[in-house]
Amino acid sequence: AQTVTQSQPEMSVQEAETVTLSCTYDTSESDYYLFWYKQPPSRQMILVIRQEAYKQQNATENRFSVNFQKAAKSFSLKISDSQLGDAAMYFCAYRRVNSGGGADGLTFGKGTHLIIQP
Amino acid sequence: ETGVTQTPRHLVMGMTNKKSLKCEQHLGHNAMYWYKQSAKKPLELMFVYSLEERVENNSVPSRFSPECPNSSHLFLHLHTLQPEDSALYLCASSQYRGPVYEQYFGPGTRLTVT
Repeated sequence: AQTVTQSQPEMSVQEAETVTLSCTYDTSESDYYLFWYKQPPSRQMILVIRQEAYKQQNATENRFSVNFQKAAKSFSLKISDSQLGDAAMYFCAYRRVNSGGGADGLTFGKGTHLIIQP
Repeated sequence: ETGVTQTPRHLVMGMTNKKSLKCEQHLGHNAMYWYKQSAKKPLELMFVYSLEERVENNSVPSRFSPECPNSSHLFLHLHTLQPEDSALYLCASSQYRGPVYEQYFGPGTRLTVT
């Protein structure tokens, strides 16, 4: 079974600074997808960024980028120029590739609570 | 309405009650999911429906009964719950096929069992 580990229960960063959230995962699959979701106090889960395991290039979305190390099974999220609105729980998630098509659920880590200091 | 909606947003029920959670997606997706988010555990996948057929049931107790009458609607029927079932229940939807078919989540139903 796949597992996702987020070793930082809480992180704090000054506004406008850069912060990196860690995620490691365990799988025997060679192809899969990785995601970072954000859950603000409203509890709405919002997709931040995704990475396909077959792609060597790290995904970026504006101020958000990942460092994907497939051999190390590591998938960290870097947030640049942190803003007050970035304060939330951040969840790392894994989903296998279903070669036959069809839906598969996500496996989540326990989350990292990100605090932005003004 | 846009995206994924869930009703009710908050629910308090006794252990002998029967209630249902509703999820509706307006994204044209054809796969839907129920997740449970409790305080001390990671989000747990409960059920997956693909093309209105249940394709996964993650050893969920029978006091939780899902129903997917069509690709836009998903229900979770609850009966004789336990206090440890108190949690945030999240619904999500995605495409059945596609390059990535990422999941989109609803706002959740906060359930309290007394």
